[in-house]
Amino acid sequence: AQSVTQPDIHITVSEGASLELRCNYSYGATPYLFWYVQSPGQGLQLLLKYFSGDTLVQGIKGFEAEFKRSQSSFNLRKPSVHWSDAAEYFCAVGGSQGNLIFGKGTKLSVKP
Amino acid sequence: DAGVIQSPRHEVTEMGQEVTLRCKPISGHNSLFWYRQTMMRGLELLIYFNNNVPIDDSGMPEDRFSAKMPNASFSTLKIQPSEPRDSAVYFCASSPGVAKNIQYFGAGTRLSVL
Repeated sequence: AQSVTQPDIHITVSEGASLELRCNYSYGATPYLFWYVQSPGQGLQLLLKYFSGDTLVQGIKGFEAEFKRSQSSFNLRKPSVHWSDAAEYFCAVGGSQGNLIFGKGTKLSVKP
Repeated sequence: DAGVIQSPRHEVTEMGQEVTLRCKPISGHNSLFWYRQTMMRGLELLIYFNNNVPIDDSGMPEDRFSAKMPNASFSTLKIQPSEPRDSAVYFCASSPGVAKNIQYFGAGTRLSVL
């Protein structure tokens, strides 16, 4: 069965520091992979997506993610975190019927 | 485009009352999804529609929950009767189609059942 694991429930980083959020998936075929961000009181916003091709994908707000098939991972990175990046981040894999399977999310806190 | 529009944004009701949540998907999108988000269970898919037809409702908690999509531009999620454990944020999302799964989310409805 398809599944997504985000092993870190909560991460705190200092403003200006680099960030990596981990995501592992389970899927038999070549996956469609996504990262969404949810700010407090808001819906989920698409950060970036991977369908095929270049395994390093760029997204909005300076985020990038790298697809590693051998590790079944799709980790999200940002070189320098801003206070406005504090939010909850969800990794998702596309299901066979157009649905999305989400991970439990990682809450990011940013220290000044 | 206005995005996915959900109403109301907040709903407070008493146990036993009927609650109706509404969603207007992005124009031209063929798929619509209803999710529920709680601290305990995270983001759960309740039901989704393709071309107004329910495809998978296995996430609907019980018979008290029902969803309809009478046309391509409107969907409702109804809870009757409501219970305190239904308190959550309910999201609607729409997608341009089955391929590639990109979903666009509304701002959600925060439901409190007292």
